[in-house]
Order: sequence, then structure tokens, then C-alpha cells
Amino acid sequence: GAVVSQHPSWVICKSGTSVKIECRSLDFQATTMFWYRQFPKQSLMLMATSNEGSKATYEQGVEKDKFLINHASLTLSTLTVTSAHPEDSSFYICSAEPGTSGRRVQYFGPGTRLTVT
Amino acid sequence: GENVEQHPSTLSVQEGDSAVIKCTYSDSASNYFPWYKQELGKGPQLIIDIRSNVGEKKDQRIAVTLNKTAKHFSLHITETQPEDSAVYFCAVDGGATNKLIFGTGTLLAVQP
Repeated sequence: GAVVSQHPSWVICKSGTSVKIECRSLDFQATTMFWYRQFPKQSLMLMATSNEGSKATYEQGVEKDKFLINHASLTLSTLTVTSAHPEDSSFYICSAEPGTSGRRVQYFGPGTRLTVT
Repeated sequence: GENVEQHPSTLSVQEGDSAVIKCTYSDSASNYFPWYKQELGKGPQLIIDIRSNVGEKKDQRIAVTLNKTAKHFSLHITETQPEDSAVYFCAVDGGATNKLIFGTGTLLAVQP
């Protein structure tokens, strides 16, 4: 149980285009989902927290107009990188917190490798 | 805000030996302390967690100990195997928030 999927697993796009990444909780409902960014050999950096049906809360320094987050249902959140540039190339990982767990458990997806050329 | 320090950054052990990774945190309001294992190119996998009302928790070869007074907790892996090789992250909940603050990671290499 507690499986989180991400799609796509990797994507290459041209500078200036937009890319959408999907995060799904497959066997539980997630009241809260999180989006992280990870650079090589570094820790996870929280970008934003999203709750179903409400606007995402972005961490300081994260451009909300560039990284659009939509949490349309209890099992799906999407991250859209708009007008991507090479510096946006990174490993993007989502996590989901079950609404009934009673504790702050986060289950992570497998990640999406974004390369902007 | 919460500050999480993790040591060591790299750890090399012989197969069958034990490995210990330690994290310290600053916010006394933190109550939840998970450990994650991340293999190359994959997302983190929750391997064990502990809440502040418990001092120790064990799951087969993996254990976590918590000293809330000293604000540190440790991951213990016994009888290490090559497949234990990965990066391990500790995390701490943000007290009043549901965010997790991650440590800097430990690259564990188990030599066969």
C-alpha cells in the first residue's frame, strides 16, 4: 500500500516551452501533496505544499507563476513548469500525505527528471 | 526555523557490520522523525519512523532511537548487506506545520 506514481519519469523539453508533471496517489486519498526539487548529490528542497481544492503554498524563493501547482482531486496533483529554462533542469519529486494517517507520513513518488535544452 | 544536521555525510562499512547515522534538530516542538532511503535515480522510500512519545523502534535489521531531551535521533542498521547501499535522509516535522525538514543525507556504501 501507499503507492505514489509520477508521470513522466523523465522529459526533455526546449527552452521556453512548458512541461506538466503528474503526481498520483494510487491506493489512498491524499489531502496534502508536496513538491520537491533535488539537485545532484543534494537534499530535497520543498517547493510547495498543496491541499485539495485550495491554492498551493509556496516556499520562500519559489516563483509561483513559474511553477504552477494544481491539486484538483484527492489523488492527483500536477506541477507545470512554465517557460522552462536550462536552470530549471532538475529532479522533481512529489509526495503525498494520507488524510487518515493521523501522523505526518509522506510517501514519495519515483521522481521526474527534467532536462531543458 | 527548524535546523536538521545529519552525520556522517558518507559511511563505508563491510558487509555484515553495523551502520549508525545520527541527526540533530533544533525545534523542541517537533514530534515526528522519519528516515528515508533513496537509491540512485529514484524517489525516497520511507523505511522507519518514530514519534516523540517513543524512545526506540525496531523493524528487523533497522532501528531508530530518539533522545528528545538532547534533540537527536539515530538510524541503526545491523548485519548490513550490499543492497543497503544508498543515500539515507533523516527528516523532522516542522512542529506546527505538516512540512518535513530533511537532513543533508548520508551516502552509505556496504562493501561485499
